[in-house]
Amino acid sequence: SQKIEQNSEALNIQEGKTATLTCNYTNYSPAYLQWYRQDPGRGPVFLLLIRENEKEKRKERLKVTFDTTLKQSLFHITASQPADSATYLCALDPLNTGFQKLVFGTGTRLLVSP
Amino acid sequence: DVKVTQSSRYLVKRTGEKVFLECVQDMDHENMFWYRQDPGLGLRLIYFSYDVKMKEKGDIPEGYSVSREKKERFSLILESASTNQTSMYLCASTIEADTQYFGPGTRLTVL
Repeated sequence: SQKIEQNSEALNIQEGKTATLTCNYTNYSPAYLQWYRQDPGRGPVFLLLIRENEKEKRKERLKVTFDTTLKQSLFHITASQPADSATYLCALDPLNTGFQKLVFGTGTRLLVSP
Repeated sequence: DVKVTQSSRYLVKRTGEKVFLECVQDMDHENMFWYRQDPGLGLRLIYFSYDVKMKEKGDIPEGYSVSREKKERFSLILESASTNQTSMYLCASTIEADTQYFGPGTRLTVL
């Protein structure tokens, strides 16, 4: 069956460290994968998109990798800050239709302590 | 900046009531989506629309219908609300296959 898996346990790290979140998928061949941030009681906010022909993408303190062989994306936040505490969701378009009918992972909660 | 607004942040309804959730986007986006989000289940697509008067079922359309009479507005209708429809409802829109812009969400409680 098709599924997207993110670690359901919260990730607790200290301020200044690098947070690494994992997104694994099974039985999909996505053309791209997206990462979103969601704060409690709010809608998700888009962070980064990485395409299948890109190994790595960076935006400020964020870095995403995409390994189509391992069927895995890693999301890194370097020099983490308490303000980075949120739930992070990965998503992909399973049919690559262009309508962006996304399938989302359940998200991983990140807690950055001072 | 893209703005997606939803008619209510919190809503409490009774079982059997007809419920309307409204979503408006201000960026002329073709595609609009309705999701529900539940703990442990993540975001699940209810319906989406890729043009005015066009709609397609998502993964969990049962008990819901939608309406898109104008490009900027996408409505989700619960014909007869039930307690298992208590959830966070999120609307999103997009014009390109890159980014979905989400609204703030409506937390619906059905008693």
